Amino acid sequence: GAVVSQHPSWVICKSGTSVKIECRSLDFQATTMFWYRQFPKQSLMLMATSNEGSKATYEQGVEKDKFLINHASLTLSTLTVTSAHPEDSSFYICSVATGGLNEQFFGPGTRLTVL
Amino acid sequence: SQQGEEDPQALSIQEGENATMNCSYKTSINNLQWYRQNSGRGLVHLILIRSNEREKHSGRLRVTLDTSKKSSSLLITASRAADTASYFCATEDGNTGFQKLVFGTGTRLLVSP
Repeated sequence: GAVVSQHPSWVICKSGTSVKIECRSLDFQATTMFWYRQFPKQSLMLMATSNEGSKATYEQGVEKDKFLINHASLTLSTLTVTSAHPEDSSFYICSVATGGLNEQFFGPGTRLTVL
Repeated sequence: SQQGEEDPQALSIQEGENATMNCSYKTSINNLQWYRQNSGRGLVHLILIRSNEREKHSGRLRVTLDTSKKSSSLLITASRAADTASYFCATEDGNTGFQKLVFGTGTRLLVSP
């Protein structure tokens, strides 16, 4: 399956700053990646679908101007949390869709803490 | 919310015992998948069962699917301490976009030595 990395694995930032999280597909050219958010002891909630070369598709209730997604290449998608606030503190996980196969391959996640 | 429900929310067993987790969902599906997550880590795909399948096995895992009841179960046999993790079901919606997954609420499994 696809190997997916995320960077950074954890980040602490001050309220009001922006944070960029990278998701890389190391061995698969991914036209589609997904970004999820997971609060402590809760399930994953899909935030957006990242499409290479086009605009991301956001789920209902997710602010596209706050969570900027860029999928400029087949191996890299970035999520930027702009003007972060403490309520944005969460575990952010990306995944890669591998086309004909139905399973997704997940990155190790990025823990964001906003002070 | 379209999120699936899982029960139990938490399960504590001894090594060697079997663990059964149940998942219910709300919409028509193309397939249902089970994932495992160790604390603070990403997800690992365990098994996928298609909507026209009723049962599937993979090693110590057995998954059943009842589309009439919109439910699935995951059985882990002869559990090991290393099986301690959270387990999530995820459905690929038959009506919405390509490969969009809706995750269940998860079951936290603790296997004691």
